[in-house]
Amino acid sequence: NAGVTQTPKFRVLKTGQSMTLLCAQDMNHEYMYWYRQDPGMGLRLIHYSVGEGTTAKGEVPDGYNVSRLKKQNFLLGLESAAPSQTSVYFCASRKRQGSYEQYFGPGTRLTVT
Amino acid sequence: QQQVKQSPQSLIVQKGGISIINCAYENTAFDYFPWYQQFPGKGPALLIAIRPDVSEKKEGRFTISFNKSAKQFSLHIMDSQPGDSATYFCAPFLNTGFQKLVFGTGTRLLVSP
Repeated sequence: NAGVTQTPKFRVLKTGQSMTLLCAQDMNHEYMYWYRQDPGMGLRLIHYSVGEGTTAKGEVPDGYNVSRLKKQNFLLGLESAAPSQTSVYFCASRKRQGSYEQYFGPGTRLTVT
Repeated sequence: QQQVKQSPQSLIVQKGGISIINCAYENTAFDYFPWYQQFPGKGPALLIAIRPDVSEKKEGRFTISFNKSAKQFSLHIMDSQPGDSATYFCAPFLNTGFQKLVFGTGTRLLVSP
């Protein structure tokens, strides 16, 4: 049972490049989330999904897109990276019922130059 | 983020001392009050949580105190250890519309040997 995994762990992009971050969970959780973490700002919700095939915007969705084609995977895309997207990105998942606990992945550190 | 105010931003405590971190919130729709712990290079993980129908919960050296009328809750770490050095986030759960955690800005705790 690996929990929540994220790929890649580190990435450096040039402004304007695109990339996809992959999140996978093996706990059969319905809800999945993408956050970004910046110094002094806590974790801010980018996008989330309440089930396979459904996604919705969080607090800071601009410049990002997501897809959830399979229940266990949640992808975060940057179509045209900007320096303001330099951050640490965390994926999390949660059961729909019975618990409020979110399980986080180890994070992806992204630098956009 | 403005819904939740966490203090202090950073804290240095000697080994064996008591660490206290505070969280104030405004939205009465929060109905679950967790603290998450994050070590460098890792994702946050649930440390301890309390429901609003109790005023205190203790798990080992960690205690949450909850004051519903003041809309505040705090984390107390008794007999603080160097291994407790981490960043701590309060993240009350918003139970209206899309249910989500709302993260405070974090407190970096350093326990000196």
